[in-house]
Parts: sequence; structure tokens; C-alpha cells
Amino acid sequence: EVQLVESGGGLVQPGGSLRLSCAASGFTFSSYWMHWVRQAPGKGLVWVSRINSDGSSTSYADSVKGRFTISRDNAKNTLYLQMNSLRAEDTAVYYCARALTFYYMDVWGKGTTVTVSS
Amino acid sequence: NFMLTQPHSVSESPGKTVTISCTRSSGSIASNYVQWYQQRPGSSPTTVIYEDNQRPSGVPDRFSGSIDSSSNSASLTISGLKTEDEADYYCQSYDSSSLVFGGGTKLTVL
Repeated sequence: EVQLVESGGGLVQPGGSLRLSCAASGFTFSSYWMHWVRQAPGKGLVWVSRINSDGSSTSYADSVKGRFTISRDNAKNTLYLQMNSLRAEDTAVYYCARALTFYYMDVWGKGTTVTVSS
Repeated sequence: NFMLTQPHSVSESPGKTVTISCTRSSGSIASNYVQWYQQRPGSSPTTVIYEDNQRPSGVPDRFSGSIDSSSNSASLTISGLKTEDEADYYCQSYDSSSLVFGGGTKLTVL
């Protein structure tokens, strides 16, 4: 079964850091681009970042550029999102998603919740 | 970057047909594929339409997608509405390096 499982969320103070992980199983992880998408409480989906299959190319939404870093370990079948200088507006459920093509996400995890608050 | 604008909410009765629009603010809607995602309360999004009008396996043919260059918009049409279709629906497209989501439309089937 194709599966993505996020972890690493939690409560963090403004200015703090967190690293999210997304464990992939049931498919050849190293063949796929991956995305992070977030959803603030009661709000819509917002794209955060993407990485290509070998990790050599990344891109970010303007709102997180310079603060967040996406990476992957294909040997461990795991996607990461390092989040630094966190702000209250980063509070959200963070989903990882497999990209069947660059622009089409066909498998989503259940999400992990990040709360930025003092 | 461009924006995708959706109606905040729509409602319709079971058995009827509803159409949700998604209007692109700049650039041609036809220049980049549009996807549609369904998100039921408390669940992760799932794809109902990709590449403008393609249905993933398992999605019933009651769901269809189209684009209209004259209005620079994409549409998701759901026919034979069922109560289980009640959910939030998001359109999504992209540019050279990023993805863009619409704000989402809450579909109520009453």
C-alpha cells in the first residue's frame, strides 16, 4: 500500500525551529518529486515547497523562502522540512504529498500539526 | 504569480448537478493544467480531477472537469449529487516553479 506518514509537529515558540519528516512506503520513493502543503486552522490549502526526485532542485513559496528547507534521504525513503524562525502564521497542518508529475499530487499523508505560540 | 479564485460556497440538492468555478487572475487558464482536490472534514485532500479533465481511477464519472478560455476559468461539475459529495473542493494549477491553490469552495448537499 502506498503510504506517506508525517511526524515531527508540535508546539514551538515564535522564533523557534522544528523539523518535519515524511516517511514513504509502498512505492519507489526515489523516483518521485515531493511537495509540502499546509493548511492553517479553518483555512485553505497553501503550497509550501517542492523537491525533485534526487534532491538537486528545490523551490519555495515566498512566505517561507529563507526560513524553511526541504530535503530528502532516498536511502531512508524520507522527506524532510526544516522550519526555522517560526512565526504564528506558520501554525497549520503540514501535509506531504507525492507528485505524479511536477504539478499533480496523487498521494497525500494525513498531516502533522505545527503550532507556533508563546 | 497568479491567483485562482473560487466561490466561497455552493449548495444543491441530492440528485442535482453543481458546477464550481475557478478563475485565473492573469495568464491563460489553458497554459497550465488544472487539478481539483476534494477534502472531507477531518481528512486529507484527494484528487478528483487532474490535467483539466482526467479522472483518477476510482473517481466516479459523476465528476468532470473543463476549462473555458473565454472566461479564463476552470470548472468542476458534479452530477447526480450525493450527500457523500459534501466537502471542500480546491482547484490547483502552477507556474514554472510553484503550485497555486484556489481558496476552496465548500459544497453543501442539502
